[in-house]
Amino acid sequence: GIQVEQSPPDLILQEGANSTLRCNFSDSVNNLQWFHQNPWGQLINLFYIPSGTKQNGRLSATTVATERYSLLYISSSQTTDSGVYFCAVPSGAGSYQLTFGKGTKLSVIP
Amino acid sequence: NAGVTQTPKFQVLKTGQSMTLQCAQDMNHEYMSWYRQDPGMGLRLIHYSVGAGITDQGEVPNGYNVSRSTTEDFPLRLLSAAPSQTSVYFCASSYSAGQIGYEQYFGPGTRLTVT
Repeated sequence: GIQVEQSPPDLILQEGANSTLRCNFSDSVNNLQWFHQNPWGQLINLFYIPSGTKQNGRLSATTVATERYSLLYISSSQTTDSGVYFCAVPSGAGSYQLTFGKGTKLSVIP
Repeated sequence: NAGVTQTPKFQVLKTGQSMTLQCAQDMNHEYMSWYRQDPGMGLRLIHYSVGAGITDQGEVPNGYNVSRSTTEDFPLRLLSAAPSQTSVYFCASSYSAGQIGYEQYFGPGTRLTVT
């Protein structure tokens, strides 16, 4: 099946710093989602981004489907950005099942 | 819209007990699924459904049953709980139209401990 790799696995930032999280996937996909799992365990939808670039406040994401990667940018990080960031892609062509990466654990310190 | 709701939020079971985790959505989504999340790992698919009356197995289906009698509800049943089923369970839903992927929305999760 499709493989999803996220990097880095762990990231510690000073409040106000910027960061880039990467998601590589092993096969062509027709959609990709980024999620933030907050310290209370909730999975929050950040972006649904099959290709191109989207922005939402301090967060933006870019997916280059032809090169099989996506990037999540966090600017001016805040302590509330702490948690685990997951990317997920369909498990196969025409599949609704999502294959998740193992996540990037982000800790933002004041 | 309440979105995707799950009950209970927390549950402790003894080995061998049975229980049902409830999941409901009010977005008229056809596709619903159950995932489990274990420490240090992403989410793994247990079972899914593309519409009322239709269910199928995911990556880790053993020990779990599902049914889908209505569009809104997709309960997950543990027939005889085992310590290996200690996990956090998430329900998800999305629109379903042909083979185009749509954005999936997740419930708040149920934290299950089996002793």
